[in-house]
Amino acid sequence: QKEVEQNSGPLSVPEGAIASLNCTYSDRGSQSFFWYRQYSGKSPELIMSIYSNGDKEDGRFTAQLNKASQYVSLLIRDSQPSDSATYLCAYSMDTGRRALTFGSGTRLQVQP
Amino acid sequence: GAGVSQSPSNKVTEKGKDVELRCDPISGHTALYWYRQSLGQGLEFLIYFQGNSAPDKSGLPSDRFSAERTGGSVSTLTIQRTQQEDSAVYLCASSPPSGSVRGELFFGEGSRLTVL
Repeated sequence: QKEVEQNSGPLSVPEGAIASLNCTYSDRGSQSFFWYRQYSGKSPELIMSIYSNGDKEDGRFTAQLNKASQYVSLLIRDSQPSDSATYLCAYSMDTGRRALTFGSGTRLQVQP
Repeated sequence: GAGVSQSPSNKVTEKGKDVELRCDPISGHTALYWYRQSLGQGLEFLIYFQGNSAPDKSGLPSDRFSAERTGGSVSTLTIQRTQQEDSAVYLCASSPPSGSVRGELFFGEGSRLTVL
C-alpha cells in the first residue's frame, strides 16, 4: 500500500465550478498535511497546510482533514483555467522521517 | 540568489557514467532535501539534511546514490554507474529550521537527468 494515495486524474471541471481533490494516507503517525501545486514543467509550490481535524479556508481554497479516516481533501471554489495543474498531497511527521512524503498527484483541468 | 539554485538544469549521460548534481539552498535555510520525479509521477524522497544532524538517507534507492552537504550549505548528489532507470528530474528543496513541520519547502527548478 502506498503511503499516500491520490487519483491521478485528470479531473476535469468547468470554469467556475468547485474542484474536489482527495487524498488518503496510511501512516497514523502523520501530523501535518499539505497541498502543493505543480504546473507542467515547473517545481511544486505550497498552497495549503492543515494540522488539525476540520476545515481550513484560504481564499478560494479549503483544506479538509479527518485523521480518524486518514483522509485529507482540497476544494477549489470558482475554479479558473489558471488552476489547471497537478496537485500533490503530502504529509510530515514529528518523529521518524521529517522530510515530506508526497503522493503522485491529481491532474486538474479547468475547462474555459 | 533569492531562491534554490540547481545545476546543471539538464544533463545527458551515457549508461555507466557518474554524474554530480548541485544544489545551493536559500541562505539561512538549515534543512535541505533531495527528491526525484519521474515522468508523470510524484516526488520520491531521496535524502534529507537538517543542520549538523546525521542525514536521513532512507530514501536512497541503491548504494550508487550518495549525497553530501558541505558547510551546512551547498549539497551535491552523486549517482555512480548511472542506469537508464535513473532518468528523472532531481529536485532539491530547502526550508527554514521548522519548515519541515510546516511543510514550507522551497524547491529549485530541478536537474533533468537523461541516461542513454
